[in-house]
Amino acid sequence: EVQLLQSGAEVKKPGESLKISCQVPGDSFNAYWIGWVRQMSGKGLEWVGIIYPPDSDTRYNPSFEGHVTIAADRSTYTVYLQWSSLKASDTAIYYCARDWYSGSYRYWGQGTLVTVSS
Amino acid sequence: DVQMTQSPSSLSASVGDRVTITCQASQDISKSLNWYQQQPGKAPQLLIYDASNLVRGVPSRFNATGSGTDFTFTISSLHPEDIATYYCQQYDDLFQFTFGPGTKVDMK
Repeated sequence: EVQLLQSGAEVKKPGESLKISCQVPGDSFNAYWIGWVRQMSGKGLEWVGIIYPPDSDTRYNPSFEGHVTIAADRSTYTVYLQWSSLKASDTAIYYCARDWYSGSYRYWGQGTLVTVSS
Repeated sequence: DVQMTQSPSSLSASVGDRVTITCQASQDISKSLNWYQQQPGKAPQLLIYDASNLVRGVPSRFNATGSGTDFTFTISSLHPEDIATYYCQQYDDLFQFTFGPGTKVDMK
């Protein structure tokens, strides 16, 4: 079973920066796209973007582009989702997930709760 | 961009009931449609890929059909553990993924 391990919950203030992580097994890191999905409290799933770690090819949902950055560290098999200036509206659970077949996400991380509050 | 709608947004059903959820795309997506189950407090779980293919290990009471713009997801006989929110999700050649708004299924 493929396991994606995400970093722990974060509490930040508006305007602060943040980087959350998703550790990916090496064979998955080198062969599959890894995506991020946002879920605000009590709401549905929103696709944030994806990265292909071998060459860091990255695509974003236009609704998130410019506000978040997705990156990969090939030395640690880790994928990141980062913000340079958080807003209260970024408060949500963020999941990483591995692409599987036909644009589907079969393997998911456990989620990282990000709380942005003054 | 492809927009996805689902109906109903919520439903109540009894154990053993047949449950049907529909998903509609704003343009032809062929069979690029997946279905997920999200139980409360858990990460989503992929149930169906390519519109109608059951993921190995997923119970056969789950079924889905459709192509183009109209898709249907069915639970043939509702079990208590099926209480969850169900999402459709499409994927296009431009690497854009879109989830439907979800259908919450609870027990009557």
